Amino acid sequence: NAGVTQTPKFQVLKTGQSMTLQCAQDMNHNSMYWYRQDPGMGLRLIYYSASEGTTDKGEVPNGYNVSRLNKREFSLRLESAAPSQTSVYFCASSEWVNQPQHFGDGTRLSIL
Amino acid sequence: GENVEQHPSTLSVQEGDSAVIKCTYSDSASNYFPWYKQELGKRPQLIIDIRSNVGEKKDQRIAVTLNKTAKHFSLHITETQPEDSAVYFCAASPADYGNNRLAFGKGNQVVVIP
Repeated sequence: NAGVTQTPKFQVLKTGQSMTLQCAQDMNHNSMYWYRQDPGMGLRLIYYSASEGTTDKGEVPNGYNVSRLNKREFSLRLESAAPSQTSVYFCASSEWVNQPQHFGDGTRLSIL
Repeated sequence: GENVEQHPSTLSVQEGDSAVIKCTYSDSASNYFPWYKQELGKRPQLIIDIRSNVGEKKDQRIAVTLNKTAKHFSLHITETQPEDSAVYFCAASPADYGNNRLAFGKGNQVVVIP
C-alpha cells in the first residue's frame, strides 16, 4: 500500500497562474484533508472532506477550491496563485473524522 | 475557535534523559488529542493519541497524559535517543466544527544531544 500519494512533489508558479494539486489514498478512508505548513505556523487546515460528496472550509480557505473526485481522490486548486500561497501543502486522510490522520509527503509550492 | 499552544518552543535534552512537552487548548468540548512527529523535510507522523475519556496512554518510551480540568495534555518521552530529535505537533478537535477537524499547535523543536 502506498498510503497517501501527492503530486507533484515540487512546483514553481508565476503570480496569477492556476494549478491543481492531486492527492490519492489507497486505505479506503472516508475523510480527507488539505493543510498548508509555513515556517513557525504549524499545520493549518485549508479544506476537508468528511466523506465522499461533502467538502467544508477549514481555517484558511481563501484563494483555494477543492474537489472530492471520488472516495480515493481529493484535489486542491489555486485559481490565481499569489506569493502568499508559497508553502508546503500536505494532504491527509483518516478512516472517519476524529480518527488518526495519515499524511502524504507534501508538495513544495513556490509562487514568484 | 480552538486555540492550541505548545511549550516550550524548543527543548534540548541529553541522550538518555526524559523530555516533556506540554500542550494547552481552549475548547473544553475537544475530545481527541493526537501528537505528531515531523523530521526535517518529512511528513508528520502520528506517534500517540488520547481521547477525552482517558487520562493516560503509554506506548513503549512514549506516553501522553490529559488533564481535562486544566485543559492541557503532555507528551512524555523517556530514555531519549538521537532519533527522537524532531519537531513535535500537538492537536485538538474543537467542537465548533462538530469535532470533525484538528487544530494544530505551532510545534516544539526537540534536540537530543548525544
